[in-house]
Amino acid sequence: DVVMTQSPLSLPVTLGQPASISCRSSQSLVHSDGNTYLNWFQQRPGQSPRRLIYRVSNRDSGVPDRFSGSGSGTDFTLRISRVEAEDVAVYYCMQGTHWPPFTFGPGTKVDIK
Amino acid sequence: EVQLVESGGGLVQPGGSLRLSCAASGFTFSSYWMSWVRQAPGKGLEWVANIKQDGSEKYYVDFVKGRFTISRDNAENSLFLQMNSLRTEDTAVYYCARSRWSKGSLFDDWGQGTLVTVSS
Repeated sequence: DVVMTQSPLSLPVTLGQPASISCRSSQSLVHSDGNTYLNWFQQRPGQSPRRLIYRVSNRDSGVPDRFSGSGSGTDFTLRISRVEAEDVAVYYCMQGTHWPPFTFGPGTKVDIK
Repeated sequence: EVQLVESGGGLVQPGGSLRLSCAASGFTFSSYWMSWVRQAPGKGLEWVANIKQDGSEKYYVDFVKGRFTISRDNAENSLFLQMNSLRTEDTAVYYCARSRWSKGSLFDDWGQGTLVTVSS
């Protein structure tokens, strides 16, 4: 199974400042079809997960443009350009290239300093 | 508007059974792979099972194989998870989520979840 790791696991940030979360996979996530199936999800307290980014860098509809995804192969990053109060949440990366099973990272908790 | 509404959760004793349902609306259910993903209290997300559009392919994570069965009814726009031989470690919120491989889009919409508690 592909193991997904994230760092940091906890990220206190100042409002208006940038934030960055790293996600690494135990093997390359490049699929034989040429796509890289790496998603990012946001889970606010008490809510269901919400997809923010799919296939590394594609932002979902309605997701603010302060969120961006990048990376390739085994190393990926989610960036928030200027953190807002509504961004307090746990963020998960997930791989969909080598399945079953689909595997998630452990989550990164973002809160305000 | 896409809606996924889970139901069927509750309290069950170890060794017992439960059947979860996910009612879908606002999209062409029969065009999507569907998954169950769970989240134990205070823990992360864990994929459980998925099923192809026509039900011809089903996949499970190792620790539920032989105990859980995923199924769907496209005429009723519904997804199911039959859970047998439940263990305390199966306690979690269970979410249904959809995927469309033809568009390279995985887990784009999720339900609100239903809580399963396995305890004596």
